Amino acid sequence: DAKTTQPPSMDCAEGRAANLPCNHSTISGNEYVYWYRQIHSQGPQYIIHGLKNNETNEMASLIITEDRKSSTLILPHATLRDTAVYYCILRYPNAGGTSYGKLTFGQGTILTVHP
Amino acid sequence: NAGVTQTPKFRVLKTGQSMTLLCAQDMNHEYMYWYRQDPGMGLRLIHYSVGEGTTAKGEVPDGYNVSRLKKQNFLLGLESAAPSQTSVYFCASSAGQGTGELFFGEGSRLTVL
Repeated sequence: DAKTTQPPSMDCAEGRAANLPCNHSTISGNEYVYWYRQIHSQGPQYIIHGLKNNETNEMASLIITEDRKSSTLILPHATLRDTAVYYCILRYPNAGGTSYGKLTFGQGTILTVHP
Repeated sequence: NAGVTQTPKFRVLKTGQSMTLLCAQDMNHEYMYWYRQDPGMGLRLIHYSVGEGTTAKGEVPDGYNVSRLKKQNFLLGLESAAPSQTSVYFCASSAGQGTGELFFGEGSRLTVL
């Protein structure tokens, strides 16, 4: 799986949009971009994923640049409960064999939402 | 709908003791996984299962055994615990083949003295 680069930390005011960037300049043509987060002492939580088109769900939006070398996770109205470590992960679809379940979590971005 | 449930949530063992962690999911998922998370190491896959009655080794399987006798349950066993197995263990499940959308449990914190 290709490597991702994320800023180590970011701050955001409650109620404002949080924009978390991720660089993946060596992404392969069929690798998906996944975002997970991990709130302190809890299990990782899936947020969203995409291939080339922008995606939106009830939690967030994912914007992927046209060249697919970077992406941004957007939390439109951040709350205190969104304080967590956010991970950007690349993954091939239908990864089998020893790739089953393999999610390479990097260091992620610590997002702190302030009142 | 409980999702993925792990028991116990905390356990302290002495070196050489054995124990079993239980993972239960109520989403009818085919795939289940056991991970360990250590500071600075991220999540590492221990064992996984692609269906009832099947198991396979992940990245760090040594010292662990697993069983998937029922579709909804995935057990992780430590036959002879070692201090190096002190960690937070996470179970996860997923539906389709190779999907990257995993549902995780709350974790089990194990300390081996």
